[in-house]
Amino acid sequence: DAGVTQSPTHLIKTRGQHVTLRCSPISGHKSVSWYQQVLGQGPQFIFQYYEKEERGRGNFPDRFSARQFPNYSSELNVNALLLGDSALYLCASSPEVGTDTQYFGPGTRLTVL
Amino acid sequence: GENVEQHPSTLSVQEGDSAVIKCTYSDSASNYFPWYKQELGKRPQLIIDIRSNVGEKKDQRIAVTLNKTAKHFSLHITETQPEDSAVYFCAASERSGGGADGLTFGKGTHLIIQP
Repeated sequence: DAGVTQSPTHLIKTRGQHVTLRCSPISGHKSVSWYQQVLGQGPQFIFQYYEKEERGRGNFPDRFSARQFPNYSSELNVNALLLGDSALYLCASSPEVGTDTQYFGPGTRLTVL
Repeated sequence: GENVEQHPSTLSVQEGDSAVIKCTYSDSASNYFPWYKQELGKRPQLIIDIRSNVGEKKDQRIAVTLNKTAKHFSLHITETQPEDSAVYFCAASERSGGGADGLTFGKGTHLIIQP
């Protein structure tokens, strides 16, 4: 499917550094959500954005931030990286906010050393 | 907030047999329940979902049932095939028009189809 795309695929950082992850939603989708998936666990909700505004936030510290651009693409930023931030970061898009179905991208594998 | 429990964590069945994965949720306001399949190193893929105004939904070999009173929903896969081997996640959310809650996922079930 001409689905959700994410970049980069893999990333290695050291503790204390900053990282920016990028996501392009399915064409026509206006809402983007971010999830963190630690190995062996289900994805955990971080943010949802719609029309450039944050519409939902999960239980993550302020080191995590995001934004959405006029073309509906999105960035996830993580500051002051910790070892525990190592995970697969998934982006999901849906047509509208409040619309149920979310379609996931392939994810960015972040390793923090 | 919502809490989703999923079991079993690992399920091994013979090819051709049926597999059942069960989930419970805590928030009675939740009204949307999707199931995702995730193969090793790949993205979660939506395989079926159900909304709270429906008790059962079927798509070929896959079916989902929902019991809102018991806050319980299940995934049923019949005539299992080797390509069904993967990790399956249930999830729940409250989707009250305009709401922007994320999905709350279970911890996953590793389904193994034995040839």
